[in-house]
Amino acid sequence: GENVGLHLPTLSVQEGDNSIINCAYSNSASDYFIWYKQESGKGPQFIIDIRSNMDKRQGQRVTVLLNKTVKHLSLQIAATQPGDSAVYFCADPLTRPNDYKLSFGAGTTVTVRA
Amino acid sequence: KAGVTQTPRYLIKTRGQQVTLSCSPISGHRSVSWYQQTPGQGLQFLFEYFSETQRNKGNFPGRFSGRQFSNSRSEMNVSTLELGDSALYLCASSSRVRGVTGELFFGEGSRLTVL
Repeated sequence: GENVGLHLPTLSVQEGDNSIINCAYSNSASDYFIWYKQESGKGPQFIIDIRSNMDKRQGQRVTVLLNKTVKHLSLQIAATQPGDSAVYFCADPLTRPNDYKLSFGAGTTVTVRA
Repeated sequence: KAGVTQTPRYLIKTRGQQVTLSCSPISGHRSVSWYQQTPGQGLQFLFEYFSETQRNKGNFPGRFSGRQFSNSRSEMNVSTLELGDSALYLCASSSRVRGVTGELFFGEGSRLTVL
């Protein structure tokens, strides 16, 4: 079954505000996570990743936080823009020997209000 | 550098027919994987190929098959189509030999509608 799941299926955000997208996972052995963004009509696009030896990682306007104690990660988008409207997925590579697949969460649809 | 190219982008089939989808990975990438995306099930892993060998397969019936050619291009086939096979089929390629990281690049998908 899936190892990762998202908390909210939809999120409406005012342009300029910060967005927070949450994701929970169940496998305590998971040590690496990836966030993807999927715009309408396109395939998923890599945003940022984090390994379990980190609690926080920052990119351009995005920050991912990992709480291994409660098996939870979040993606924060600063100063949300209309171009941030998309579906966001957290994914776990399920890194076991001979596994080459991603387990995706259900996705959160972010809508940015002007 | 060209991205992952999938053809056709859209297609309509009827129940019982079969379909073949094609994927051209990024030049130099030898790993190609396929995912099915539906509103109800989300993104589900189908299979992954590396140097013409299937290394992993998801939980899909035998009607779903694939192959990879020596130039790393890949095809997937679905036989005896069912209504539930309507989905966006995504191909992704990677230069990695082992494991999956953010260096996995997706194509825009082939949208299959089964009537």
